[in-house]
Amino acid sequence: GENVEQHPSTLSVQEGDSAVIKCTYSDSASNYFPWYKQELGKGPQLIIDIRSNVGEKKDQRIAVTLNKTAKHFSLHITETQPEDSAVYFCAASLYGQNFVFGPGTRLSVLP
Amino acid sequence: KAGVTQTPRYLIKTRGQQVTLSCSPISGHRSVSWYQQTPGQGLQFLFEYFSETQRNKGNFPGRFSGRQFSNSRSEMNVSTLELGDSALYLCASSLAGGRQETQYFGPGTRLLVL
Repeated sequence: GENVEQHPSTLSVQEGDSAVIKCTYSDSASNYFPWYKQELGKGPQLIIDIRSNVGEKKDQRIAVTLNKTAKHFSLHITETQPEDSAVYFCAASLYGQNFVFGPGTRLSVLP
Repeated sequence: KAGVTQTPRYLIKTRGQQVTLSCSPISGHRSVSWYQQTPGQGLQFLFEYFSETQRNKGNFPGRFSGRQFSNSRSEMNVSTLELGDSALYLCASSLAGGRQETQYFGPGTRLLVL
């Protein structure tokens, strides 16, 4: 079945710097890749997503890039702020099992 | 629009008991999926319901079951609880559960099994 790897598992950046989180997936048939942010005590919240017919998508300080050939996609956060501190999950959609999630990246933005 | 709601938010049970968790999806959403989240295994898909029918199922034992009502609200039941069932149980709703559809998560129910 589908397997999603995510790196790094923890990431610390200075406020104002950029953060990059990378995910790889195994099933070439997957074609929808959402990113979720989970804050303490809350459920995951969708922050951005990308479909396989698009290579890059931006939303203000957040961007996602997709390389279907290499089967990897990345989350880019620019001008990081303390409120960006959270656990971030990538996911890939696989028919029959809904989403398969990566193990998560704990991002800490240091003031 | 109100988001996904889950009740109860916290639950403490003992081994061998059973538990029922409830999820109310976003109004108009007909697909409800359940996930188990643990520090060791991360987010794992349990099952998905659409129009009162289980459409997809993850790799969990038969002790985990669910159902969906005509108003799209869903319940999840775990029988004969084990210590390893301690986890955050999340439900997510989407319009029709299509492969490229956004899922919206609720806050989760934190279950502790003693």
